[in-house]
Amino acid sequence: EDQVTQSPEALRLQEGESSSLNCSYTVSGLRGLFWYRQDPGKGPEFLFTLYSAGEEKEKERLKATLTKKESFLHITAPKPEDSATYLCGWGSGTYKYIFGTGTRLKVLA
Amino acid sequence: DAGVIQSPRHEVTEMGQEVTLRCKPISGHDYLFWYRQTMMRGLELLIYFNNNVPIDDSGMPEDRFSAKMPNASFSTLKIQPSEPRDSAVYFCASSLDRDVRQFFGPGTRLTVL
Repeated sequence: EDQVTQSPEALRLQEGESSSLNCSYTVSGLRGLFWYRQDPGKGPEFLFTLYSAGEEKEKERLKATLTKKESFLHITAPKPEDSATYLCGWGSGTYKYIFGTGTRLKVLA
Repeated sequence: DAGVIQSPRHEVTEMGQEVTLRCKPISGHDYLFWYRQTMMRGLELLIYFNNNVPIDDSGMPEDRFSAKMPNASFSTLKIQPSEPRDSAVYFCASSLDRDVRQFFGPGTRLTVL
């Protein structure tokens, strides 16, 4: 069964304390592994899509990496404004999308 | 562009009533998606359209759910009759052809009493 699992469910960091979020997947026909950020009361906002193992993408304090079985979202020196829920998901060539339940990140000042 | 527009933003209804959620995708986007989000199950794809045609509705939970896209700028998701377990946030998203990046609307929070 196609599945995406995110860990941890919740994470509290001090401002400046770097960490990583994990997304493991067992899927068939991977077209893209993507990351979204979701703020309370809003829709998910696109961050990255990764297509092949070894690929990396960066945006400000965020860097996403991909292996054959999992993806990591690395957060370097986070700030309080990075607090959000981060969703990982998988998209297939037939446009099926499966999301994990997310990691709720809280960055304390 | 105003982004994906959804209405209403909040809906409170009683069990057994019909509920209609509305979505206006970003102009020029060929794909439209309907999702449901709950704490327990996360974000689930219900159905998606390509050029106004439903492509995959395997995520629609029951026959009580139906979706239409009469033209490129409008889609509806209808629940009839509604049940308390339908309470969730429903998102509409759109994307360009062959592009996995989706643009989400603000969502409709549905509460069925």
